[in-house]
Amino acid sequence: DAGITQSPRHKVTETGTPVTLRCHQTENHRYMYWYRQDPGHGLRLIHYSYGVKDTDKGEVSDGYSVSRSKTEDFLLTLESATSSQTSVYFCAISRDSNQPQHFGDGTRLSIL
Amino acid sequence: QQQVKQSPQSLIVQKGGISIINCAYENTAFDYFPWYQQFPGKGPALLIAIRPDVSEKKEGRFTISFNKSAKQFSLHIMDSQPGDSATYFCAATAGYNFNKFYFGSGTKLNVKP
Repeated sequence: DAGITQSPRHKVTETGTPVTLRCHQTENHRYMYWYRQDPGHGLRLIHYSYGVKDTDKGEVSDGYSVSRSKTEDFLLTLESATSSQTSVYFCAISRDSNQPQHFGDGTRLSIL
Repeated sequence: QQQVKQSPQSLIVQKGGISIINCAYENTAFDYFPWYQQFPGKGPALLIAIRPDVSEKKEGRFTISFNKSAKQFSLHIMDSQPGDSATYFCAATAGYNFNKFYFGSGTKLNVKP
């Protein structure tokens, strides 16, 4: 299995609070991605990174920000969590173009 | 606009039967088509993938069929087993685009003993 660790694995928080999810990889892969998974929607890309300090928006980026200060860490921040952001969040990594993405085991986030 | 459309949403197959999941895409720049398998509580795991220079790829009981002219590809699971019960996702990407994957909405497969 690819060395990807997501933390925390579960989190319950209240509307309006900031939340940060962490993705840590030990593979030295160039690309990193954050997805959310909701029933009937499959996996939707939130943000991605193509190098240290190089990030860009995906299809559902509103309300989310990211940072990548080191190759191995990619952080996803919800500045002010809303109930619509209750979801399962997955991090993925990829070595290069036209290569598989490998996924972590996800973070289940509930916003009350 | 959904880049990759997947069907059916759910599928029930008897043990030993063939499971078939279909995907269609519009972007002719897509050049890598993976399939992922996901069990409850786990992340998606790569099952098999194909590039458009071949029409079929087989790995064990899993086969991808690819029809470039129709912009369709499908996953066939031969001799389906209860342990294959999972959610399956197709995806597509274009190599120039930071390896961003576009996923289908998923198919929940239930293989009955």
